Amino acid sequence: AQSVSQHNHHVILSEAASLELGCNYSYGGTVNLFWYVQYPGQHLQLLLKYFSGDPLVKGIKGFEAEFIKSKFSFNLRKPSVQWSDTAEYFCAVTPSSNTGKLIFGQGTTLQVKP
Amino acid sequence: EAGVVQSPRYKIIEKKQPVAFWCNPISGHNTLYWYLQNLGQGPELLIRYENEEAVDDSQLPKDRFSAERLKGVDSTLKIQPAELGDSAVYLCASSKLAGGYNEQFFGPGTRLTVL
Repeated sequence: AQSVSQHNHHVILSEAASLELGCNYSYGGTVNLFWYVQYPGQHLQLLLKYFSGDPLVKGIKGFEAEFIKSKFSFNLRKPSVQWSDTAEYFCAVTPSSNTGKLIFGQGTTLQVKP
Repeated sequence: EAGVVQSPRYKIIEKKQPVAFWCNPISGHNTLYWYLQNLGQGPELLIRYENEEAVDDSQLPKDRFSAERLKGVDSTLKIQPAELGDSAVYLCASSKLAGGYNEQFFGPGTRLTVL
C-alpha cells in the first residue's frame, strides 16, 4: 500500500535557523508531490507542489523542496525560518495516474522560538 | 473568491447520537472530498465525489457513515450512531477537476467530540 513517512514529528528551532523536514513515500510509479501547511487556527493550504521537470521546486514564503527519485524523498527546506513559520507541515503524495486521492504523512509540528 | 465553507466548526455529542457535517465547495469546483483527521495524524480520504457521483468511497465505514452531494454542489456527511472513536476533525476539500494535477483546497474542518 502507498504510504508517506515524515521523520520528524516535532521540531523546535530558533529564528534564522535553517529548516529541513524529511518526507519519504512508498510507491513504485510516477507521483505528484505536495507540501501543505496549517498555521495555528487556519485551514490546510498548499505550500508547494511537484509534478515533473526541475526536481527543485520553490513555493510560497521562501520554502523549497527537492524531489530525489532514487530516494523516494521530497524534503522541505527553508534557509532561515521566522517565528511566523510556526505551523504543522504535511507531506502528501498522489500517483500521477490516480484521480486525486492524496495520501498524507502524519505531519511535523514546527515551533520557531523568537 | 470564497473558500471551502464547513459547518459547524465544533460539535460535541453523546455517543450513539447522530451527527451531520455540511460542506460548500468553492464555486465551480466539480470534485469534492471528505477527509478524516485523527489527532497527530495526517488527513485520510473518506469519500470523493465528481459532481454528484461518489466515485471513491472505499474508505467510508458504511455501517455508520453516509454522505450525499445532491445537485453536485454542497455535501453532507453523516454519522449514525456516533462512537467514541469518531472524535476527530472532518475536513472537506474541493478541486476544479479530478486528478492528481488539480490542487485541492481545504475548508477549516469540523472538530467532533464524542462523549
